[in-house]
Amino acid sequence: GAGVSQSPRYKVAKRGQDVALRCDPISGHVSLFWYQQALGQGPEFLTYFQNEAQLDKSGLPSDRFFAERPEGSVSTLKIQRTQQEDSAVYLCASSQGARSNQPQHFGDGTRLSIL
Amino acid sequence: EDQVTQSPEALRLQEGESSSLNCSYTVSGLRGLFWYRQDPGKGPEFLFTLYSAGEEKEKERLKATLTKKESFLHITAPKPEDSATYLCAVQAGGSNNDMRFGAGTRLTVKP
Repeated sequence: GAGVSQSPRYKVAKRGQDVALRCDPISGHVSLFWYQQALGQGPEFLTYFQNEAQLDKSGLPSDRFFAERPEGSVSTLKIQRTQQEDSAVYLCASSQGARSNQPQHFGDGTRLSIL
Repeated sequence: EDQVTQSPEALRLQEGESSSLNCSYTVSGLRGLFWYRQDPGKGPEFLFTLYSAGEEKEKERLKATLTKKESFLHITAPKPEDSATYLCAVQAGGSNNDMRFGAGTRLTVKP
């Protein structure tokens, strides 16, 4: 597709379950980012990939959060033993190269609700 | 610590009533300042990148400007379809390409 695609669009899980969120970046984009957005707030950085290498995971809130991009294209964000505070919109973004300053293009996110 | 503050939190305008949104930032070594538009249930949509003080960019009814401490998004003669949340983000010199966002300004334009 032409843009960043995320699935599922909505995910409801019970507390303690594991979830996996998928991101298909724009084809050929080297950089991939995950952000978390709480209601009424701006996105907050979680982690950054350059191709398959995870160069920054400083924003991951706990060791229950894990992200991968094994072949340098599709990425998965996994949350283990979900908690209610994990409820948020998870956004994926990609940018063309490895240099900074390039605009990041976002998907429409996955809205995660933990019951 | 890098900080981005947007004001006002919410703004209601009549169609055709021009105004400005503010983004104040504190960052060590600005690499770029970004403006995005976000509609409900959608991801942020890229509008502009500004790199240095004095730079300006325009797109239709929107014009973004940058100083060393803040950026303004000027909206001229807005239309109802301009209603959205406008997000400002900065990329700092010490960052690993990630962006720090403000909380956004929720703009409503009434016909």
